[in-house]
Amino acid sequence: DVKVTQSSRYLVKRTGEKVFLECVQDMDHENMFWYRQDPGLGLRLIYFSYDVKMKEKGDIPEGYSVSREKKERFSLILESASTNQTSMYLCATRGSRRGYTFGSGTRLTVV
Amino acid sequence: GESVGLHLPTLSVQEGDNSIINCAYSNSASDYFIWYKQESGKGPQFIIDIRSNMDKRQGQRVTVLLNKTVKHLSLQIAATQPGDSAVYFCAEYSGTYKYIFGTGTRLKVLA
Repeated sequence: DVKVTQSSRYLVKRTGEKVFLECVQDMDHENMFWYRQDPGLGLRLIYFSYDVKMKEKGDIPEGYSVSREKKERFSLILESASTNQTSMYLCATRGSRRGYTFGSGTRLTVV
Repeated sequence: GESVGLHLPTLSVQEGDNSIINCAYSNSASDYFIWYKQESGKGPQFIIDIRSNMDKRQGQRVTVLLNKTVKHLSLQIAATQPGDSAVYFCAEYSGTYKYIFGTGTRLKVLA
């Protein structure tokens, strides 16, 4: 089975900090995604990447950037964390038409 | 615009009863749909999928029904068990690598 590993389950950061969320997959999938999940809003796409060093903005990219230097690793960067970025962040990979495989999520709290 | 939504935010069912979770979608051109289950503290997991050329698909204790006329998707869980307690949401394939997700329904199984 595909494994998608997010490095942290819980993070607490201060406003203004630069935050890195890491995601690693082990199945050589080309497509990787970062979503945030908020109550009542569902999953919203932040950024995705369909190849190494390629990235595309999703629906809510403001305040975020990403890095894909290697195929297996897709990092989400909060350049200057703000309280409205408190959320559950989910990384996903896609290798076939049968949807995504998600990581366990990182619950980020910005104080 | 495109949207995928759920009729009920919370559904409580007695253990052993059948559960039905509903989803409305708005893009009649969507040709692939997925149901995900998300347990507390975990990432979403694939349950079952269906293509638009089908009306019904069955898995183990789960059935997905697709009504393209009214753009409605449902997930039926037979003989609901305590382990079925989770948030369920549907996803609609909108092309260009991306899915649109519903906001989710919480299923509570009562002993």
